[in-house]
Amino acid sequence: ETGVTQSPTHLIKTRGQQVTLRCSSQSGHNTVSWYQQALGQGPQFIFQYYREEENGRGNFPPRFSGLQFPNYSSELNVNALELDDSALYLCASSLDLRPGDEQFFGPGTRLTVL
Amino acid sequence: AQSVAQPEDQVNVAEGNPLTVKCTYSVSGNPYLFWYVQYPNRGLQFLLKYITGDNLVKGSYGFEAEFNKSQTSFHLKKPSALVSDSALYFCAVRDVPLDDKIIFGKGTRLHILP
Repeated sequence: ETGVTQSPTHLIKTRGQQVTLRCSSQSGHNTVSWYQQALGQGPQFIFQYYREEENGRGNFPPRFSGLQFPNYSSELNVNALELDDSALYLCASSLDLRPGDEQFFGPGTRLTVL
Repeated sequence: AQSVAQPEDQVNVAEGNPLTVKCTYSVSGNPYLFWYVQYPNRGLQFLLKYITGDNLVKGSYGFEAEFNKSQTSFHLKKPSALVSDSALYFCAVRDVPLDDKIIFGKGTRLHILP
C-alpha cells in the first residue's frame, strides 16, 4: 500500500453544487498533486501544492481550487459543478519538488454530477 | 508543450510470451519519463522511470523500459507475461526544466491470455 488515502470513495452531486474532496498524503511528503481522470482517459493535471503553496496549475478554471495543510492532508474544492466534472479524482504525493520524484497515488474519489 | 502518445488502446499477449507497450513523447527540454500501472478501482502505481544514464531501465514486477532518444520512445517491456500483468498502463513525461507538469498518455489496456 502506498499510504495515500482519499475520501470519500464515491460521491454524487447535482449540477451547480459545490464539492470538497480530501486526501491524506504519505507522512513526510511535502508535495501533493491532484488529477482528473475521465473515463477512458489518462489523468489530467489539475494543480500541485508544495508546503501549502500552489506550485503549478493545469488547464482548469478557477472554480477548481485547493488547500494543503501542515499535517499532510489536502483538499480539492470544485464550485458550480458541471456535468463534465464527472470523473475519478486522484491525489498523489511525492517527497519533494524534484522532477524525478515518483508519485504515490491514492485510490481516487469517483464523482458523479447529475 | 510536452506530449505523450500511446498508440495502442489494447494489447493482447499470451501468457509466457514477451510483451511490449509502446510510448512516444515530445518535449522541448529533457524528458523525464515514467510508467505507471492501474488496477481496477485502484490508484496508479509507479513501475519505473528514466531520468538520465543507462537507456535500459529496470523496474517493479520484472518490467523494463528502453529510452530511445532518436525515436523519442520509451516502450515498456517484459520478457515473459503473467496473467496478473493484465491492467491499464500509463506512460508519462515531464519536460525538464521547462515545465513542472507531468503529462500522462491515455493509457494502454494490457490483456494477458491464459
